[in-house]
Amino acid sequence: GQQLNQSPQSMFIQEGEDVSMNCTSSSIFNTWLWYKQDPGEGPVLLIALYKAGELTSNGRLTAQFGITRKDSFLNISASIPSDVGIYFCAGGIQGAQKLVFGQGTRLTINP
Amino acid sequence: SQTIHQWPATLVQPVGSPLSLECTVEGTSNPNLYWYRQAAGRGLQLLFYSVGIGQISSEVPQNLSASRPQDRQFILSSKKLLLSDSGFYLCAWSPTGTAGYTFGSGTRLTVV
Repeated sequence: GQQLNQSPQSMFIQEGEDVSMNCTSSSIFNTWLWYKQDPGEGPVLLIALYKAGELTSNGRLTAQFGITRKDSFLNISASIPSDVGIYFCAGGIQGAQKLVFGQGTRLTINP
Repeated sequence: SQTIHQWPATLVQPVGSPLSLECTVEGTSNPNLYWYRQAAGRGLQLLFYSVGIGQISSEVPQNLSASRPQDRQFILSSKKLLLSDSGFYLCAWSPTGTAGYTFGSGTRLTVV
């Protein structure tokens, strides 16, 4: 089945640094989504992308839908302590009944 | 607006006891519903999904079962819990299979 390779698996950064993470696949996806999960909570949708090449921002977050439809990246600028958590990418395929999720990127920020 | 409710928030159950976790969605009709399990600090494992009343698809053979007795109700069950059933269980809904999911707040299950 389809798989998403999300990297890096974990990141340890200083407050104020920029963050970049990505997801790649050998399969083509029609939608890409990025979620953030705080400890002990359910994941929350950050950004949804529906068109190849689309670049979308949500505050300090920016995500892009790769032109090949096989990848996506998420950037976080000027990280702050509340950015700590696990970030998941997810891809959707037309006609499928479920999303495919990456394994997550755990972000830790040193103040 | 749509909301998703999942309960209980935490549960401690002995090995061999039954389990019933409930998830309900409000403000929408005929949603896709999903049950995920997450080991500590790990990724999301899809357990079951449902595209309609009485329709259940199982992703991973295991000690658990799911049912959808009503349009906006999704139940995760077990007749006899195993230690390996411990984890963080998440319910989610979506209007379609490719649209973004909305997750519930999760149930932390500890089997002792």
